[in-house]
Amino acid sequence: DVKVTQSSRYLVKRTGEKVFLECVQDMDHENMFWYRQDPGLGLRLIYFSYDVKMKEKGDIPEGYSVSREKKERFSLILESASTNQTSMYLCASSSPGGGRSPLHFGNGTRLTVT
Amino acid sequence: AQTVTQSQPEMSVQEAETVTLSCTYDTSESDYYLFWYKQPPSRQMILVIRQEAYKQQNATENRFSVNFQKAAKSFSLKISDSQLGDAAMYFCAYSNTGNQFYFGTGTSLTVIP
Repeated sequence: DVKVTQSSRYLVKRTGEKVFLECVQDMDHENMFWYRQDPGLGLRLIYFSYDVKMKEKGDIPEGYSVSREKKERFSLILESASTNQTSMYLCASSSPGGGRSPLHFGNGTRLTVT
Repeated sequence: AQTVTQSQPEMSVQEAETVTLSCTYDTSESDYYLFWYKQPPSRQMILVIRQEAYKQQNATENRFSVNFQKAAKSFSLKISDSQLGDAAMYFCAYSNTGNQFYFGTGTSLTVIP
């Protein structure tokens, strides 16, 4: 089974801190994604990556950046955390081919910015 | 842009009964895929069922089945013989061949013992 591991389940950070959310997958998937989940808004795509050192903006990239130095690892970075970034963050991975390959998700990281 | 709409924020069903969750989508493409994902309170999102748009036959996975109406752009999920473990948030999702996925806002399903 595909395993997608997010390094933290809960994080509490202060406004202005630099925050790193880490995600590792063990199935050699080319595609990796970061989503933000908020009640009533569903999942919104922040960034995605099709390959090492490659990244594409999603629907809500403002205030975020990403890093993919190795195929298995995709990091989400909040350069200066703000309270409106308090949310659930979900990492996912998939093989190429669009919907032919479904997304596999991590357990999520609940981030609180105070 | 593709949009996915789930018009039922909350649903409830008696244990052992059947419930149908609704989903509509908007696309101009002919080749695409549709999914239902389940997110239990433990939070990990898992795939429930998947449908290829070019297939007319509705997908089925044990107690879960879909009603795919391509012309109406409708993709509902039917859960038969509901169990307590079916209680979760359910998300409908759309994907084309371009590696992007679009999600609805979710339906919270409560199973009443």
